Amino acid sequence: EIVLTQSPGTLSLSPGERATLSCRTSQSVSSNYLAWYQQKLGQAPRLLIYGASSRATGIPDRFSGSGSGTDFTLTISRLEPEDFAVYYCQQYGSSPFTFGPGTKVDIK
Amino acid sequence: QVQLQESGPGLVKPSATLSLTCAVSGYSISSGYYWGWIRQPPGRGLEWIGSIHQSGSTNYNPSLKSRVTISVDTSKNQFSLKLTSVTAADTAVYYCARHRPPLDYWGQGTLVTVSS
Repeated sequence: EIVLTQSPGTLSLSPGERATLSCRTSQSVSSNYLAWYQQKLGQAPRLLIYGASSRATGIPDRFSGSGSGTDFTLTISRLEPEDFAVYYCQQYGSSPFTFGPGTKVDIK
Repeated sequence: QVQLQESGPGLVKPSATLSLTCAVSGYSISSGYYWGWIRQPPGRGLEWIGSIHQSGSTNYNPSLKSRVTISVDTSKNQFSLKLTSVTAADTAVYYCARHRPPLDYWGQGTLVTVSS
């Protein structure tokens, strides 16, 4: 089973600032099958990024993903008020499809 | 627009079987893709439970495999989850989702509490 580690656990930033979230995997993720999801309180997760760097339908271009192998990054170029949420990474290259513990982005 | 909606009991007794159904609209399950279940204990992270293809082929998380059955009913455009011998540790919000992969469309989730 591939274990995912996310850092930091919490990121305190102000609107307009840049957010950089890290996801590391215990083994290389095949074909860069790495996704990022955003979850707001009381809501279902929403797919942001798949294939490590492709934006899902309707996702603003301030969200970008990068990385390969075991080291991946989600960047939010300029935080909007609606971006304060919890972000999860997930690998879907190897079953079981595992999630990271999440990074909470909150308002400083 | 693809939409998914979970339904089922919100309270299940310990040692009983948890049963949930996910109704899909806006997309025919018969057209393809996998369809999955994910859960989230209160205040905690996400756990993939398993997925099923429209053909009936399944893939389960080994941590739950002995207790999980996922089935599909293409005539009703829905799929279902059964989890046997539940304990308090199975208390969670249960989500269904289209599993292309990745999980691109999600239901709103339903809270299932295991308690006597």
